[in-house]
Amino acid sequence: EDQVTQSPEALRLQEGESSSLNCSYTVSGLRGLFWYRQDPGKGPEFLFTLYSAGEEKEKERLKATLTKKESFLHITAPKPEDSATYLCAVQAGSQGAQKLVFGQGTRLTINP
Amino acid sequence: NAGVMQNPRHLVRRRGQEARLRCSPMKGHSHVYWYRQLPEEGLKFMVYLQKENIIDESGMPKERFSAEFPKEGPSILRIQQVVRGDSAAYFCASSPPGRPNEKLFFGSGTQLSVL
Repeated sequence: EDQVTQSPEALRLQEGESSSLNCSYTVSGLRGLFWYRQDPGKGPEFLFTLYSAGEEKEKERLKATLTKKESFLHITAPKPEDSATYLCAVQAGSQGAQKLVFGQGTRLTINP
Repeated sequence: NAGVMQNPRHLVRRRGQEARLRCSPMKGHSHVYWYRQLPEEGLKFMVYLQKENIIDESGMPKERFSAEFPKEGPSILRIQQVVRGDSAAYFCASSPPGRPNEKLFFGSGTQLSVL
């Protein structure tokens, strides 16, 4: 069964303090790994898709990387507005499989 | 360009009643997905639909739950005879034709509370 585990469950940082969130996965045939951001009371908002080991993508203070077994979301010099829950998800299986398997998320709090 | 619209935002039902959740995908999107988020749990896939077709319902409970995406109108997730365990946030997502699931656009969800 496809599984996604995120760590830590919660993380508190001071503004400007860089860190990384981890997403470990076990899937049969990875087709894509996704990062989403979710604010309280809202739906997830797409951040990145990674398709193969070694791939990296950046957006503002966020950078996502992918290996064969895990992905990292690096946050550099975060600001309070980066506070949110960050979700990792994988798309796996044979061609035609369309569902995402999500991790439980990392709740990130950035203190000013 | 309006995003994915879900209504109602909050729905309260008593045990045994029916719940109907509605989702209008983004303009031009023909793929709709429903996910459920239980308290302290991650998002779980329920069903994937295209216009007038259920493509994958492997995440849907076998009883009491059904989904449709008619030719005209919104997608509907229907829960019959609700129980307390159905209390959760239900999210709808959509994607454009051609590359489904490459990038999902989520609505703000419907919070279902069963008394």
